[in-house]
Amino acid sequence: ETGVTQSPTHLIKTRGQQVTLRCSSQSGHNTVSWYQQALGQGPQFIFQYYREEENGRGNFPPRFSGLQFPNYSSELNVNALELDDSALYLCASSLDRVGEQFFGPGTRLTVL
Amino acid sequence: QKEVEQNSGPLSVPEGAIASLNCTYSDRGSQSFFWYRQYSGKSPELIMSIYSNGDKEDGRFTAQLNKASQYVSLLIRDSQPSDSATYLCAVKPLNTGTASKLTFGTGTRLQVTL
Repeated sequence: ETGVTQSPTHLIKTRGQQVTLRCSSQSGHNTVSWYQQALGQGPQFIFQYYREEENGRGNFPPRFSGLQFPNYSSELNVNALELDDSALYLCASSLDRVGEQFFGPGTRLTVL
Repeated sequence: QKEVEQNSGPLSVPEGAIASLNCTYSDRGSQSFFWYRQYSGKSPELIMSIYSNGDKEDGRFTAQLNKASQYVSLLIRDSQPSDSATYLCAVKPLNTGTASKLTFGTGTRLQVTL
């Protein structure tokens, strides 16, 4: 059974650029949730995708957007990057919307 | 008041001792509670989940939940140096069939000393 994978591992961007992060869910899981973890903080919920539909959103601006594909993999897109977007971006997959969430290794984004 | 509160630590315990990690939450409607372990530079790893009042044991780990006091704890028996990590408490509010987000505390850093 393959676990949750994310790509890329690290990314460096400059302010104003756009970035796309990718996540493959664990086999059999149809729900993906994205979190942002700043240094020294707990993960903050960005949004959740269930069967290709956004299924709830945290307190993040519209420049954070996402997609889920028919194979349940997912993308997180961030436009107009700001310095404060520098963080570890975590994807978690679950069996369904209410199941336990298992995290991927994360993507560390640095915005200069 | 923060939604999920944890003492940031570090909590230092000698090898072989019991480590006790605590978490309080503000949403009385919360239904599901989780403990994640996060090593430095790595992603969170789920180690325990608990849904009803009382104790739940899994190997050296015991999760304790008291919904009346809005309190959840994690005990680690026979602590090992490999247990040194940050422990994140996560709470899921009452599920209404829509998004089930996890709300995390800032984590407690545990140091197990030789």
